Amino acid sequence: GAVVSQHPSWVICKSGTSVKIECRSLDFQATTMFWYRQFPKQSLMLMATSNEGSKATYEQGVEKDKFLINHASLTLSTLTVTSAHPEDSSFYICSARDFDREDTQYFGPGTRLTVL
Amino acid sequence: QQQVKQSPQSLIVQKGGISIINCAYENTAFDYFPWYQQFPGKGPALLIAIRPDVSEKKEGRFTISFNKSAKQFSLHIMDSQPGDSATYFCAATYNTDKLIFGTGTRLQVFP
Repeated sequence: GAVVSQHPSWVICKSGTSVKIECRSLDFQATTMFWYRQFPKQSLMLMATSNEGSKATYEQGVEKDKFLINHASLTLSTLTVTSAHPEDSSFYICSARDFDREDTQYFGPGTRLTVL
Repeated sequence: QQQVKQSPQSLIVQKGGISIINCAYENTAFDYFPWYQQFPGKGPALLIAIRPDVSEKKEGRFTISFNKSAKQFSLHIMDSQPGDSATYFCAATYNTDKLIFGTGTRLQVFP
């Protein structure tokens, strides 16, 4: 149980295009999902907290117009990187909080984004 | 005050040995302390977690020791195996808020 999936697992895009990453909780409902960014050999950096049916809360320094987050259902949150540039290349990971399991956050497998 | 300090940055252990990773925090409001294991190119996986009302929790070869007065907690991996080679992150949170992660420890277990 407590499985979180992400799609796609990796994506390569041209500079200036937009990319959408999906995060799904497969066997539980998640009213809260989180989006992280991770650079090589570094820790996870929280980008935003996504609550179902409401606007996401972004961490300081994260551009909300560049990283659009939508949490339309209890099992799906999406992150759209708009007008991507090479500096947006990174490993993006989502997590979902399972209230039935002591509020534990379960992480997705991550999405490797490369912007050319 | 929101930081979680983790050490060591890297750790090399021989197969069968004990791996110990330490974390320290400042915010006494933290009430949940999970450990995550991450393999290269994968998302973190929950390993074991503890709440401050317990001083120790053991699951298989993995044990968390928690010292509330010192505001420290540690992960012990007994009988370390090459398959345990990964990066380990401690974390802390309070009131079901966002996780505050440590900086990570890269563990290498040699046969």
